[in-house]
Amino acid sequence: AQTVTQSQPEMSVQEAETVTLSCTYDTSESDYYLFWYKQPPSRQMILVIRQEAYKQQNATENRFSVNFQKAAKSFSLKISDSQLGDAAMYFCAYREEGTYKYIFGTGTRLKVLA
Amino acid sequence: DVKVTQSSRYLVKRTGEKVFLECVQDMDHENMFWYRQDPGLGLRLIYFSYDVKMKEKGDIPEGYSVSREKKERFSLILESASTNQTSMYLCASRQGTSQPQHFGDGTRLSIL
Repeated sequence: AQTVTQSQPEMSVQEAETVTLSCTYDTSESDYYLFWYKQPPSRQMILVIRQEAYKQQNATENRFSVNFQKAAKSFSLKISDSQLGDAAMYFCAYREEGTYKYIFGTGTRLKVLA
Repeated sequence: DVKVTQSSRYLVKRTGEKVFLECVQDMDHENMFWYRQDPGLGLRLIYFSYDVKMKEKGDIPEGYSVSREKKERFSLILESASTNQTSMYLCASRQGTSQPQHFGDGTRLSIL
């Protein structure tokens, strides 16, 4: 069965600094998607970034980028120039191609220090 | 923008009550989901609906049922609420397998 592991329950970063959140997953499939979701204290979960497994190029969305290592089954999120509004719970998620089911990690709470 | 609306932000019910959690989306999405979120466990799928009146069990369906009579509305039903169903419940919708999920604000349910 597929699993998603986020080994850092909590992280802190100084405003304007860079932080990397870790995610590893386990699957025997070759076609899948990986996601990072952000859940601010107001609670609505929003998609931060998405990576298709068949794409070798790492996805980037403004200050957010991923380091996708398919062979190592690793999918880390890098946040550059951290802002106070980045403070949230971040969830890594996996979905196999053609299926509806998402597997979520347990989340990493990110604190941004002024 | 996609809007997913959950009927209550906070709800308090008693053990044994039948509880309804409502979710409405305004983008004609085919797929809708109910998740339960607990600290240290992440999000776990309770039920999924891929079309009107169609549903599939997720990872933790026991004690829950769902209803989807109209495309825009997906209801989660706790048949006989128990204290171990105290949790945050999140609804999500999406249009097709290649599209991302859009989440509601969540309902924090307490069963006393």
